[in-house]
Parts: sequence; C-alpha cells; structure tokens
Amino acid sequence: DAKTTQPPSMDCAEGRAANLPCNHSTISGNEYVYWYRQIHSQGPQYIIHGLKNNETNEMASLIITEDRKSSTLILPHATLRDTAVYYCIVSASAGGTSYGKLTFGQGTILTVHP
Amino acid sequence: GAVVSQHPSRVICKSGTSVKIECRSLDFQATTMFWYRQFPKQSLMLMATSNEGSKATYEQGVEKDKFLINHASLTLSTLTVTSAHPEDSSFYICSARDPNPPGHRAFGPGTRLTVL
Repeated sequence: DAKTTQPPSMDCAEGRAANLPCNHSTISGNEYVYWYRQIHSQGPQYIIHGLKNNETNEMASLIITEDRKSSTLILPHATLRDTAVYYCIVSASAGGTSYGKLTFGQGTILTVHP
Repeated sequence: GAVVSQHPSRVICKSGTSVKIECRSLDFQATTMFWYRQFPKQSLMLMATSNEGSKATYEQGVEKDKFLINHASLTLSTLTVTSAHPEDSSFYICSARDPNPPGHRAFGPGTRLTVL
C-alpha cells in the first residue's frame, strides 16, 4: 500500500470548517483513499472513501486532486465531538494481497476549540 | 454500517496467564477479520489477518505461538494472548470488511488489556 503523509496536529474553532490534508504521491491506480478517525480509547470510525471523484456524505467531504497525489477531508461545521485522530489511508479495494489490510500512519490530531 | 463487537472491553490479568479476546460481526458475515494492537500515543499496528476456516496470517515480528488466532465461524474470531507479560499490555482492536458499503472496514470498540 502507498504511504501517506499528514500533519501531526491541527486546530479548528467550533462551527468552522476543518480541512485536513493528506499527501499520497505514490498511490496506485487501483488504490482508494480512505479516511477514518479515532476518538480517545475507541475503535476507529469510518468517515469516507473515494477513488478519483470528490465524495460527500453526512459526515464529511473528500476532495481528491486530479493527479490523485493528495486529498483533503473537510468537516464542514466542526463540533467539539469531532476532536480525534484522523487517519488517511490508501488501500486497494478489491483484489491483490493487500485487500482488506489497512495500514495506519500517525494521523492528524484534530483539536476543536470552543 | 456494519457493527463489530469485542468482548471483554477491559481485562486485567496476572503475568503468565492467558487471555482470550472475542471479535464478532453482528449483522454480517466476515470471512476475514484483522487484529490490531495499539500502544499509548501510538498508531494502530496490524498484527494478523484472521481467515475463516484456515490459518491466520501474521505480520512480520508478531509471534504466532504467543498470539493465537481462531476464526471458527463467519461471525467470530478470537485472539488469545498466551503467557501474558506486562509488555503485552495494550489496546487490541479487531476489524472486518463491511459489505455495505463495500470497500471499507468496520472496527470493534477495542479491548484494553492490562497485565500485572
């Protein structure tokens, strides 16, 4: 699986948009970009994933650059409960020996302030 | 989304004893489950891939005789930490492929193991 690079920490004011960047310059054509978050002492929670088109769901939006070498997770209106470690992971969705394996990096610690 | 449960959520044991952790997929069948370990202030580290009806595949550096994995049914995988030592104290998390939507993984809530 391709490696990802994320800033170690970010701050955001409550109610504002949180934009979390991720670099994945070695991503392969069959690899998806996944975002998970982990609130303290809990299991990771799925947020969103995409291949090359931008994606949006009830939790967040995912913007993937045209060359797919980087992406941004957007939490449109951050709340205090969004304080967590956010992980950007690239992994093949189907096929290949890495299917199903998610390799976690250090992630970004997002702190939402009142 | 799919739900994965773990039991127990927290366990304290004496050094030298064995501890079993269960991972269940509650509303879907999981032919493959994954076991992770997380030390304080560190990221999740994949330990092994659990395959229903066959042997688990362990990541490099993980002792298969110490961390026994059994995946006897399509909804249950167990991780047994044998002859536990204080350095095995960690947060153990399991994961399974969620069929809906396909492509992402559901994670359990984790099990906090403390070895005295």
